[in-house]
Amino acid sequence: AQKVTQAQTEISVVEKEDVTLDCVYETRDTTYYLFWYKQPPSGELVFLIRRNSFDEQNEISGRYSWNFQKSTSSFNFTITASQVVDSAVYFCALSSYNQGGKLIFGQGTELSVKP
Amino acid sequence: GAVVSQHPSWVICKSGTSVKIECRSLDFQATTMFWYRQFPKQSLMLMATSNEGSKATYEQGVEKDKFLINHASLTLSTLTVTSAHPEDSSFYICSARDGQGAQYYGYTFGSGTRLTVV
Repeated sequence: AQKVTQAQTEISVVEKEDVTLDCVYETRDTTYYLFWYKQPPSGELVFLIRRNSFDEQNEISGRYSWNFQKSTSSFNFTITASQVVDSAVYFCALSSYNQGGKLIFGQGTELSVKP
Repeated sequence: GAVVSQHPSWVICKSGTSVKIECRSLDFQATTMFWYRQFPKQSLMLMATSNEGSKATYEQGVEKDKFLINHASLTLSTLTVTSAHPEDSSFYICSARDGQGAQYYGYTFGSGTRLTVV
């Protein structure tokens, strides 16, 4: 069975602080994809990144960066110099061919960035 | 980019009535759509997977007679909540795979429907 664990339910930081959101996954499949989504209060899901299991290169996009480590089954997300607009719920998700392409979500981490 | 239009964005209905939620892929063909339910402060829970022209596959614990899913065309999937009760009040979101091929994993989400049953 596939599983995604986001152990941090809520995180609160002050603006300009760096913050890392943890994500640990479980799968028996060798080919899989990992995702991060942002869900602001409006409810819409905003796609942030997709990473396949064969690409362990870390990625940076502006203030966002992702650290994928297969050895620890983790796909952590760091926001550098956080801003109030980063306040949202962030979800890590996993999908694989052998699971019919279903996208399974972690519990989510609610990030609050205070001015 | 790929767009999935979901309607209505919110709906209030009386207990015992049925509500239909529509998801349309506007600029691509969605052979597979997924339906999720999200309660306040919780994660998105997959309810069912629908493939165009075939019966939906429901996740364990989801009542298929209560949550009717129809995927009659490559651009439209509908979720009907039948005989709705207050406990069905939730945020419902659809998602479509927005690419071709079994090895493609990209998803486009609708904007969600907030259902309140009174």
